[in-house]
Amino acid sequence: DTGVSQDPRHKITKRGQNVTFRCDPISEHNRLYWYRQTLGQGPEFLTYFQNEAQLEKSRLLSDRFSAERPKGSFSTLEIQRTEQGDSAMYLCASSLRPSGSSDTQYFGPGTRLTVL
Amino acid sequence: KQEVTQIPAALSVPEGENLVLNCSFTDSAIYNLQWFRQDPGKGLTSLLLIQSSQREQTSGRLNASLDKSSGRSTLYIAASQPGDSATYLCAVIGYSTLTFGKGTMLLVSP
Repeated sequence: DTGVSQDPRHKITKRGQNVTFRCDPISEHNRLYWYRQTLGQGPEFLTYFQNEAQLEKSRLLSDRFSAERPKGSFSTLEIQRTEQGDSAMYLCASSLRPSGSSDTQYFGPGTRLTVL
Repeated sequence: KQEVTQIPAALSVPEGENLVLNCSFTDSAIYNLQWFRQDPGKGLTSLLLIQSSQREQTSGRLNASLDKSSGRSTLYIAASQPGDSATYLCAVIGYSTLTFGKGTMLLVSP
């Protein structure tokens, strides 16, 4: 098992374009999380899935953002009509959560997005 | 809403010093607390996880403590080395998500 992987590692795009990021969690982890981190700040929660179900979304996740985890394995995060304010590091994490307890999240290397 | 504060924001020490990083949180109803390390432009590496029923965890030169009632945690680094230079993030774990502080940027000079 190689840990959480994210692709691409870096993405440069022009304002108004759509971008899609992929996250592959640790195999058999049932939870997958997306966070966004801007310069000088800690990561901020965006959304998470348990298997294929999206259970929670932050108000940071505007209607230009959509996340999917169609088969309960990998996940994609799409940003439509990108804005310069979307420039950030997008981090993915996964965990194996038994019911009724908290868990340890393992983070991927992140995708750094730059919107010109 | 949970808020996490880390002090200091930045710290510069000579190699060999022992140091303490501080983390405070506003809502004591937490499951766990986790300390991470982040190198520039990289993802997060988990250092220590303290469950809410525990008071401390140790790994090598690192020791983390947790006082839920006062909403505080500390990360103690013994005999610091230049390779310890990084940003250290504290995260409070609720039922489903992590709430992070802004981090402490540590520089250890040879």
